[in-house]
Amino acid sequence: GAVVSQHPSWVICKSGTSVKIECRSLDFQATTMFWYRQFPKQSLMLMATSNEGSKATYEQGVEKDKFLINHASLTLSTLTVTSAHPEDSSFYICSARITGIQPQHFGDGTRLSIL
Amino acid sequence: QKEVEQNSGPLSVPEGAIASLNCTYSDRGSQSFFWYRQYSGKSPELIMFIYSNGDKEDGRFTAQLNKASQYVSLLIRDSQPSDSATYLCAVQEYGNKLVFGAGTILRVKS
Repeated sequence: GAVVSQHPSWVICKSGTSVKIECRSLDFQATTMFWYRQFPKQSLMLMATSNEGSKATYEQGVEKDKFLINHASLTLSTLTVTSAHPEDSSFYICSARITGIQPQHFGDGTRLSIL
Repeated sequence: QKEVEQNSGPLSVPEGAIASLNCTYSDRGSQSFFWYRQYSGKSPELIMFIYSNGDKEDGRFTAQLNKASQYVSLLIRDSQPSDSATYLCAVQEYGNKLVFGAGTILRVKS
């Protein structure tokens, strides 16, 4: 149980392109979903927290206009990287949680490469 | 600033030995404690979670929590080469975000 699916797993695109990443909880309803970014040999960095039907809460230093998050249902959240540039190349990982005390379950991640 | 501290390692243990991973946290309001395993190039995978003081066992894994000392540990019995990974300790207040440690690299040598 507690499976989180993330799609796509790998994206390579040109600078200036917008990229959408989907995160789905397959066998549970997630009240909260999280988006992380991880650079090589570094720890996970939380980008934003989203609750279904509400605006996402972004961490300090994360541009909300560049990283658009939509959490339209209890099983789906999307992250759109708008006008992506090479410095946005990273490993993006989503997670989902049922309730406040329960564990976060992570998707397999999306490796984004901007040329 | 809420902090979670882990020894970065690498921690090297021979196959079949017990690996002991430790973590301390600064926020006394923390209620949930998690251990994740992350293989290189992959996303984190939940190994154990614990909410109450004491020990919690699941197969070869035992999580230990001491809230008075603000200390969490993970024991891996009969360590296997496939256990070689980075182990992330994470701490959470109710409803809040996870605070991750930097992770401990474990290497199990056959």
